[in-house]
Amino acid sequence: EAEVAQSPRYKITEKSQAVAFWCDPISGHATLYWYRQILGQGPELLVQFQDESVVDDSQLPKDRFSAERLKGVDSTLKIQPAELGDSAMYLCASSLGTGELFFGEGSRLTVL
Amino acid sequence: AQTVTQSQPEMSVQEAETVTLSCTYDTSESDYYLFWYKQPPSRQMILVIRQEAYKQQNATENRFSVNFQKAAKSFSLKISDSQLGDAAMYFCAYKYNFGNEKLTFGTGTRLTIIP
Repeated sequence: EAEVAQSPRYKITEKSQAVAFWCDPISGHATLYWYRQILGQGPELLVQFQDESVVDDSQLPKDRFSAERLKGVDSTLKIQPAELGDSAMYLCASSLGTGELFFGEGSRLTVL
Repeated sequence: AQTVTQSQPEMSVQEAETVTLSCTYDTSESDYYLFWYKQPPSRQMILVIRQEAYKQQNATENRFSVNFQKAAKSFSLKISDSQLGDAAMYFCAYKYNFGNEKLTFGTGTRLTIIP
């Protein structure tokens, strides 16, 4: 069964360092999402791609976060510099356009 | 902007019993989808059930069913014959049927199954 792959699963970093997360969506899924989930809260959309184009990044803190999806396949989310408040689970999801999102296992970030 | 509210941070149920999780939402649109997603501990979020707003019939998937009250903007999830594997965070989510496919999530309900 095809799954969304994310890495790393866990990342511990110090404040002001750079960190990057990678996501490989299910093959053929044109839409890719990055969500941030703070402990005890629901996921919040950071950025949405349709193929290689950004269709929604209204909640992405652009002074420190960046995301790209070169060639419209896998994607990278970067944070530089990391801040204490960035500690969260970063979820990647993909969709065929049917409304159902398929999620990866997430990347848990701890900023010290 | 659309909002999704889950007023029960935690729920518990005895194994084999029935439990209902509540969700309300706010939207000015008439054509949308509602979802319940399940997030087990340390595992990925998966879709439990989906409801299309234009369908009056409540969706059902095996032991999972919903009570969709469009006028009241209410969307509750009923889990029958609860099993230990049902223990998870449950998130209610909303998606407008046009434009981009952004999902808006509630804050979740943690469900504990008591053996």
